[in-house]
Amino acid sequence: ETGVTQTPRHLVMGMTNKKSLKCEQHLGHNAMYWYKQSAKKPLELMFVYNFKEQTENNSVPSRFSPECPNSSHLFLHLHTLQPEDSALYLCASSRLGGADGYTFGSGTRLTVV
Amino acid sequence: GIQVEQSPPDLILQEGANSTLRCNFSDSVNNLQWFHQNPWGQLINLFYIPSGTKQNGRLSATTVATERYSLLYISSSQTTDSGVYFCAVSFVPYKYIFGTGTRLKVLA
Repeated sequence: ETGVTQTPRHLVMGMTNKKSLKCEQHLGHNAMYWYKQSAKKPLELMFVYNFKEQTENNSVPSRFSPECPNSSHLFLHLHTLQPEDSALYLCASSRLGGADGYTFGSGTRLTVV
Repeated sequence: GIQVEQSPPDLILQEGANSTLRCNFSDSVNNLQWFHQNPWGQLINLFYIPSGTKQNGRLSATTVATERYSLLYISSSQTTDSGVYFCAVSFVPYKYIFGTGTRLKVLA
């Protein structure tokens, strides 16, 4: 257990489904992140939240919708996904500015059928 | 944009051997981290090392920011060291760029 918890660990969804990924941290961090890891590609930053405010949207399609109700929780709402969206979705948290590094969750392995 | 290259892409070691992993980056950076991703996908932060040298047990890292590279040393490797090692750099706060990783397999 790293201090960042992601649920569910695995998710299979159809292209017309709506689902949500959840991330929770109890490390007292102020920044939270969503990353996407596809096979054979580097980790891609999707969204950054600082003190609940979104400060980065890395040109992510609107079928991915993040939500950060407080500094400890981060959601990623999914709708009308495509098979190419199948990947490992990783949540991370850090102190402001990323000082001392990131703490990652275990990830949600998403398969879109 | 900034480029991050890691070498070698793949590495196979016998248990007990030492190794050096390299991370080159194309521009000045303010932050650099090394991560280990285990076979189950968990990413563990090994070092936050924008410059200088740090050691943690059998692992150590050195970043020479002026020459745009960082090295990760693994000594007396163990099978539990297997996985993928990532270098990540940032030149603006919060926006880390990851390398493609070095896939390490340690044989018993």
